[in-house]
Amino acid sequence: GAVVSQHPSWVICKSGTSVKIECRSLDFQATTMFWYRQFPKQSLMLMATSNEGSKATYEQGVEKDKFLINHASLTLSTLTVTSAHPEDSSFYICSANAGGPGQETQYFGPGTRLLVL
Amino acid sequence: GENVEQHPSTLSVQEGDSAVIKCTYSDSASNYFPWYKQELGKGPQLIIDIRSNVGEKKDQRIAVTLNKTAKHFSLHITETQPEDSAVYFCAAAYNTNAGKSTFGDGTTLTVKP
Repeated sequence: GAVVSQHPSWVICKSGTSVKIECRSLDFQATTMFWYRQFPKQSLMLMATSNEGSKATYEQGVEKDKFLINHASLTLSTLTVTSAHPEDSSFYICSANAGGPGQETQYFGPGTRLLVL
Repeated sequence: GENVEQHPSTLSVQEGDSAVIKCTYSDSASNYFPWYKQELGKGPQLIIDIRSNVGEKKDQRIAVTLNKTAKHFSLHITETQPEDSAVYFCAAAYNTNAGKSTFGDGTTLTVKP
C-alpha cells in the first residue's frame, strides 16, 4: 500500500512557540491531504483538508489562524501550530488518498505527538 | 452530516475466539466503509474496506459485511491472536472523497492468551 510519513514523530515545546509538522506521501502524489487531531482514548477529529496549490479547508470550530496549513507540492503538506498552548497538546495525524476516481483509499501517517509545556 | 456509531467500546476475547465489531451510519449517500487498526502511539492502519456494490469482503482472518438497507456494517476477526489487540475504528465516506471519512468512537479489543 501507499506510504505516508510524518516528521517529527514527537515534539516538546514551550508555551507561545510555534511548531511545524510535515506530512509526506512517499510513493504517490496527493493533491489532497487531511489533518486530524486525536486526544487520548478518543476518535480522530478532522481538522482540515489540505489542497495542493490552494487554501486549506477548515472544519467548523478549527481556528485557521492558529493551525496554518501549507500544501506546496504534490507530496508535502505542513501543519504549523502557532503560539502553542498546553491545550494544543495532542496527537496529530495526517492522511492522504491514493487510487483512481471512485476507488480512493485513505492512508494515514504514523502521527506526531505534541506536548506543550 | 454523517454520524457513525460503533459498538462495543471494549471487547475482550480469548485467543482463538472470534471478535465482532458493529457500526451503523446515518447518511445513505455514504458508499465507502473502511476499518482501521490503531496500535498505541501509532497512526491508524487500514485493514480492510468495502464499497457499497458488495455485501461482504474477506481477507484471511478478517471479513467485513455491509447491509446498506439497514445502514450497518460489521468487522469479523476469526482465530484471534494476542497481536490483534488494538483499537479498531470504523468509518464511512462518500468514496470520491475517502479522506473525509466520519469515524466511529473506536473499539478496544483485548485478546487474552
